[in-house]
Amino acid sequence: DTEVTQTPKHLVMGMTNKKSLKCEQHMGHRAMYWYKQKAKKPPELMFVYSYEKLSINESVPSRFSPECPNSSLLNLHLHALQPEDSALYLCASSQARTTYQETQYFGPGTRLLVL
Amino acid sequence: DQQVKQNSPSLSVQEGRISILNCDYTNSMFDYFLWYKKYPAEGPTFLISISSIKDKNEDGRFTVFLNKSAKHLSLHIVPSQPGDSAVYFCAARPTGTASKLTFGTGTRLQVTL
Repeated sequence: DTEVTQTPKHLVMGMTNKKSLKCEQHMGHRAMYWYKQKAKKPPELMFVYSYEKLSINESVPSRFSPECPNSSLLNLHLHALQPEDSALYLCASSQARTTYQETQYFGPGTRLLVL
Repeated sequence: DQQVKQNSPSLSVQEGRISILNCDYTNSMFDYFLWYKKYPAEGPTFLISISSIKDKNEDGRFTVFLNKSAKHLSLHIVPSQPGDSAVYFCAARPTGTASKLTFGTGTRLQVTL
């Protein structure tokens, strides 16, 4: 089983709203990731959590706030977003136990539209 | 600075023929390479990977070749099927756990009947 689930599938929000994206995996993976993907572009890394601790933050604006409540869950809290933040937000997970052959598995994404 | 490049934005291949997708990288710290397939508005699906200690890895219709000296890898799909039509991303990462995956710009493969 290599399933990563994400909710909601679609989200429309205004610039003053607060919303959260959720990601869950039950593969026993200890690394979880948030990526952002704009149309016709590759996914871009935002955050990495390793063993529930934030290990990489790719200089993401503070209006995006990640949270890892436990080893299976990853949230992305959104506040005061801009229209240019509209994108597909992807969650991924990997084992974080091996140095070689560590594959990241992606969820289906949340399509976010900021009005 | 694009560290992983896919110079062909699109490729059209007839059903049953071979599809060859190419990828070049510049960062010599990359030692694990992956190919993902992506349909519109969906997450990338892992296809096949190769570590730098190998030069070939095969899984069914998919074969990945790595030429470390040229910093080049390729994905071969034989035989190509209409369901293979998607965007293919090459990705690379350095040694270490929970490390950053750097994606190429993608190649859109169209398999025609």
